[in-house]
Amino acid sequence: QVQLVQSGSELKMPGASVKVSCKASGYTFTYFAIIWVRQAPGQGLEWLGWIHTNTGNPTYAQGFTGRFLFSLDTSVSTAYLHIRSLKSEDTAVYYCARAPSILTGNFDYWGQGTLVTVSS
Amino acid sequence: QSALTQPPSASGSPGQSVTISCTGTSSDVGGYNYVSWFQQHPGTAPKLLIYEVNKRPSGVPDRFSGSKSGNTASLTVSGLQAEDEADYYCSSYAGSNNVIFGGGTKLTVL
Repeated sequence: QVQLVQSGSELKMPGASVKVSCKASGYTFTYFAIIWVRQAPGQGLEWLGWIHTNTGNPTYAQGFTGRFLFSLDTSVSTAYLHIRSLKSEDTAVYYCARAPSILTGNFDYWGQGTLVTVSS
Repeated sequence: QSALTQPPSASGSPGQSVTISCTGTSSDVGGYNYVSWFQQHPGTAPKLLIYEVNKRPSGVPDRFSGSKSGNTASLTVSGLQAEDEADYYCSSYAGSNNVIFGGGTKLTVL
């Protein structure tokens, strides 16, 4: 069965970096893009962008260029979200999901989410 | 880019129907037939209910339906059940390989 399993919760100091992993199984990894979405406590969903798993080409949402980096290790069917220079406002649950097409919005399988807490 | 506009809350009694709106612009909702709807229960990941305005993934009950008129999309939940109480989010393709979400609507089953 299709599964996306994310890494565990993280507690980081402001200014530090964090890397969240999203391991896919149950399907051919390179047939679907991976999207990244975050949800701050008590808030709505926020689009971060996506990565083409065939080419590794990332697309970042406005406001998420520079500190946010999407990467892949296709040998282990895993996508990564790396955030550097963390700020308190980055505290959120970060989700990955697979997408046959960014256009259609058919984001049918999601990871369980990774809570990143930024606090001194 | 601002979030799509959804009412913060909606409610209905069991068995009734409720409709949640999602208003955008001609650059997103109005410009493409690529609106999706997601259901999220507390502490869980979003679940896809509707994509491409009105298509349901397998396993989603036909009590959930989607539509669109101009810059506004709608999700209708018919025959409300207690388990439908959740947050609902719309999303739309917004051009240039980007997507925008709505602010979310909390649905209460009275």
